[in-house]
This record gives sequence, C-alpha cells and structure tokens, in this order.
Amino acid sequence: AQKVTQAQTEISVVEKEDVTLDCVYKTRDTTYYLFWYKQPPSGELVFLIRRNSFDEQNEISGRYSRNFQKSTSSFNFTITASQVVDSAVYFCALKRGGSNYKLTFGKGTLLTVNP
Amino acid sequence: NAGVTQTPKFRVLKTGQSMTLLCAQDMNHEYMYWYRQDPGMGLRLIHYSVGEGTTAKGEVPDGYNVSRLKKQNFLLGLESAAPSQTSVYFCASSYQGTHQPQHFGDGTRLSIL
Repeated sequence: AQKVTQAQTEISVVEKEDVTLDCVYKTRDTTYYLFWYKQPPSGELVFLIRRNSFDEQNEISGRYSRNFQKSTSSFNFTITASQVVDSAVYFCALKRGGSNYKLTFGKGTLLTVNP
Repeated sequence: NAGVTQTPKFRVLKTGQSMTLLCAQDMNHEYMYWYRQDPGMGLRLIHYSVGEGTTAKGEVPDGYNVSRLKKQNFLLGLESAAPSQTSVYFCASSYQGTHQPQHFGDGTRLSIL
C-alpha cells in the first residue's frame, strides 16, 4: 500500500529564514509521481511542484527547491528566504504510474512564518 | 481565470437531508475528482471520473454518489446526510495522464447537524 508521511506537524520560522519540509513516501511501484501542494489560510489548494520517479535532477524554481532522494524515499521541499505569505499548510502527495488515479496525501505540515 | 469552481461554498444540513455539490471546470480537463478533507486525515478520494459519462469509486465512496453528464461538470450527491459527512469537500481536475497535477477548487464546507 502507498503511504506518505510528513513527520513535521508544525514548523515556525522567522521571516527570511530557509525552511525545509520533509516528506517520506512508501510505494512498491517503480514509476510514480510526487507533488507538493500549498493550502493557505483562505483554504484553497495550490499545486506547487511535481517530480517523477525516473527524473534524476533536483530543480529550483524561484524560492522553491525540491530534493528527491530515491534511496531514502524522501521528497523534501525547501523555501529559501521565507516570507509571511508562505504561511500555510503544505501537503506532499504521491500518485502511482499507470492507470491508477488515486492521489495519496500526507497529513500536512503547518508552516508559520513570523515577521 | 475561473479554473475549478465549486458551488456552494458553505452549507449546513440536518441529518437525513440530501444535497448536491456542483463542480465546474473550464480547462477542458478529462479527469475530475472529489475529495474530502478532515482534521488530521489529509485529503481522501471519494469518487473520480476519467471522462464524460464515467465514474469510479475512490477510497471513501460510501454514502456518496456522483455523476458526470457533461465533461465540464462533476456532481457529488449526498442522499441521506449523516454527521460523519461533516467535512470540507474539494473538487479537482486534471489533464489526461498520471503525471499531470490536479488543480483544485476552493472547497465546500459542509456541516451536518
């Protein structure tokens, strides 16, 4: 069975600090896809980044970067120079390859960025 | 840009009442999904659809029915609401392909008394 674990329930940082959100996943599939979503206090879910299991490169997009480590089944997400507007719940999610459409979510990490 | 629109945004029902949640997307996405979000549980898939006229059960389908009569709309029905169905409901849609991200609506907060 698939599982996504976000061990950090809550994180609090001061503005401009870098912060890393941890995600550990479990799957038996060789092809799978990982996603990060942001849920701000207003409640909507916003897609942030995606990574497939067969892509070796880690990428940086603006202040966001992802660190995919297949050997440890981790898909961590880093925000550089955090801002108050980054305060939100962040969800890591896993989708199997093939025709399975189920997106398995972790329970989320509440990030609070203080001014 | 409308994206995924959910109607209504809030609703309070009494136990036993029925209602339908409407999801509309204007991105011409093939796939649509209904999730529920409960405290400490993350999001769980209720039902999904891979195209007009098709529906399938997700992780927690009991007590819900869905219909996809038009490509752009995906309806979620509660035939006889129960307090356990108090939740925030999210609709999502995506292009065909498992690597495509799902785009979510703003959610519907539903309370069953």
